[in-house]
Amino acid sequence: EVQLVESGGILVQPGGSLRLSCAASEFTFSSYAMSWVRQAPGKGLEWVSAISSSGANTYYADSVKGRFTISRDNSNNILYLQMNSLRAEDTAVYYCAVQYCSGGGCYGYFQHWGQGTLVTVSS
Amino acid sequence: DIQMTQSPSSVSASVGDRVTITCRASQGIGSWLAWYQQKAGKAPKLLIYAASSLQSGVPSRFSGSGSGTDFTLTISSLQPEDFATYYCQQANSFPRTFGQGTRLEIK
Repeated sequence: EVQLVESGGILVQPGGSLRLSCAASEFTFSSYAMSWVRQAPGKGLEWVSAISSSGANTYYADSVKGRFTISRDNSNNILYLQMNSLRAEDTAVYYCAVQYCSGGGCYGYFQHWGQGTLVTVSS
Repeated sequence: DIQMTQSPSSVSASVGDRVTITCRASQGIGSWLAWYQQKAGKAPKLLIYAASSLQSGVPSRFSGSGSGTDFTLTISSLQPEDFATYYCQQANSFPRTFGQGTRLEIK
C-alpha cells in the first residue's frame, strides 16, 4: 500500500522559513510526478506546487511563486517543500500527493495523499 | 487561471436520497476533471477521474458526467458514510485548481 508521510510542520513567525518533507514508500517514487496541496483551517483545497518525476520541471501557484521551492530526492524517496518569507495566509495543513497513472499514461489527478502536516505562521 | 465553481455550497439529504453536485469551469477543460471526497480531519480521496471514470474501490453509486465546462457528480443512493465534503479539480492545465467544495450533510 502506498505510504506518504509528511513532516516538518511547526509554528513559525511571519517572514520565517521552513522545509517540509514527504517520505514515500511502497511505490516507484522516481516514476511519479508529485504535488503539494494545502488546506487552510476550515477552508477548501489549494494546489501549491508540482514537480515532474525526474525533478526537471516544477510548477507553482501564483500565491507561492518566488517564495516556495519544490524538490525531490529520488534516491531516498523524499519530496520537499522549502518555504521562505512565510505569511499568516500560508497557515494550513500541507498534503503531499501522488499523481494518477494508469495504462501507461499519467495525469494531473491526485491518486494518493499523505495525512498532512500543519504549518502555523503567527507571531 | 481556470476557475472552478461548485454548486451548491452545501446540501442536506437523507440516507437513500439521490444527490447531484455540479462543477463549472471558467473555460473548457475537455474531460480533465476529478472529484474527491474529504471527511473531517482526513486527507481527500479520489473518487472520479477523467470526468466519468470510477476510481478503483469506489462504490458504483458514485458517478460522474460532463465535458467542456459543465460537470456533475451523482450519488445514486446516499449511505451514512457518504456524508462529507466533495471537491472538483481540473487537470487541464497549471495551476491545478479546485472548486470551493460542497458539504453534504445529514437531513
